[in-house]
Amino acid sequence: QVHLEQSGAEMRKPGASVNVSCTASGYPFMNYGITWVRQAPGQGLEWMGWISAYNGDTNYAQKLQGRVTMTTDTSTATAYMTLRSLTSDDTAVYFCATTHYDTYTLDVWGQGTTVTVSS
Amino acid sequence: QSVLTQPPSVSGAPGQRVSISCTGSSSNIGAGYDVHWYQQLPGTAPKLLFDGSRNRPSGVPDRFSGSKSGTSASLDITGLQADDEADYYCQSYDRSLGGWVFGTGTKVSV
Repeated sequence: QVHLEQSGAEMRKPGASVNVSCTASGYPFMNYGITWVRQAPGQGLEWMGWISAYNGDTNYAQKLQGRVTMTTDTSTATAYMTLRSLTSDDTAVYFCATTHYDTYTLDVWGQGTTVTVSS
Repeated sequence: QSVLTQPPSVSGAPGQRVSISCTGSSSNIGAGYDVHWYQQLPGTAPKLLFDGSRNRPSGVPDRFSGSKSGTSASLDITGLQADDEADYYCQSYDRSLGGWVFGTGTKVSV
């Protein structure tokens, strides 16, 4: 079945960068995009952006423009999200999710990756 | 703060019906963009519950249904059950922001 496996928890100091991976299985990787969503402790969901696994097109949330980069490696069916210049406000659980190109529904989600930013 | 506003919490007794609103504007829901709904059980990843094309993923009971009117949408849960206790989020596209947004989230208590 369709499954997304995310990389493990990360701890970073303020100002550093973090790279989270999301490896897909159970479907043709290029058939769906990948959306990244984060959730700060006790807070709601925040849409971070989307990447097409078909052609690499991206759409990033305005507030993260310039700090976030999303990429895919079709040879390994893996999506990556890099966030730079981290602050404590970036402490959150980061999720990836398969995304239909037509409806933009987030159908299958990864288990989440906890990123903690602390000095 | 999100451009899609939901009530922080709703509650109901087992078997009752509850409705969760998602209020947007002419830049998102009112512009005709689809509204999707997600359920997040404590400590787990969100799960798609209902999409804007009025489809329910396989395995989601028909007790959950969504609708949209003007600049708002709503998710109805009928026959409330204990395991419906979760956080619920709406999602739509906002053309001013040029991206997708989630609602503020609603905690359902049974």
